[in-house]
Amino acid sequence: DGGITQSPKYLFRKEGQNVTLSCEQNLNHDAMYWYRQDPGQGLRLIYYSQIVNDFQKGDIAEGYSVSREKKESFPLTVTSAQKNPTAFYLCASKIGQVNYGYTFGSGTRLTVV
Amino acid sequence: QKEVEQDPGPLSVPEGAIVSLNCTYSNSAFQYFMWYRQYSRKGPELLMYTYSSGNKEDGRFTAQVDKSSKYISLFIRDSQPSDSATYLCAMSVGGTGTASKLTFGTGTRLQVTL
Repeated sequence: DGGITQSPKYLFRKEGQNVTLSCEQNLNHDAMYWYRQDPGQGLRLIYYSQIVNDFQKGDIAEGYSVSREKKESFPLTVTSAQKNPTAFYLCASKIGQVNYGYTFGSGTRLTVV
Repeated sequence: QKEVEQDPGPLSVPEGAIVSLNCTYSNSAFQYFMWYRQYSRKGPELLMYTYSSGNKEDGRFTAQVDKSSKYISLFIRDSQPSDSATYLCAMSVGGTGTASKLTFGTGTRLQVTL
């Protein structure tokens, strides 16, 4: 079945550590996105990528980094510079020319301990 | 002021009721409007999408867009307990690059009781 796989489902991070969240898709989608979801704030865009080896900052990119070395993969690193990293992280993808076909993964819950 | 406003609820209705969920927005450039359903600890799944103004129906779900009022709605007929979830409206200008990003409402939590 085609879809987006996010791993791990739950992740715990100590203060000062960097962690990487995985996002893999087998939909042959061009564009990929990372969103952060907090209670009462909806989803906010962190980074997005339209093609391999290219990505742009979203609305809340500070403290995060990404790479897009393969079309299928768009990992997100939460660095120690992110002051409030505890949140639910969602990866999404869509075909480049389609304006509604966004598919989401099942999310990663990151908690700072 | 947020670009997209959505009543967070929670909204509790009895089984079989008609549910109305709404969002207002301020950016007149939005052209693509979507409704997502999100169950607890899961990713959102696309329910309905609409381009520009008008109505769209799919089974028990109807999406309406009124661009003149900058107002969108999702109606659920004959609501079922399985409809209990958070409903997120989302919209985009359309195209590629920055214009392709989705702007979300905060979500409305719906509870359908037996």
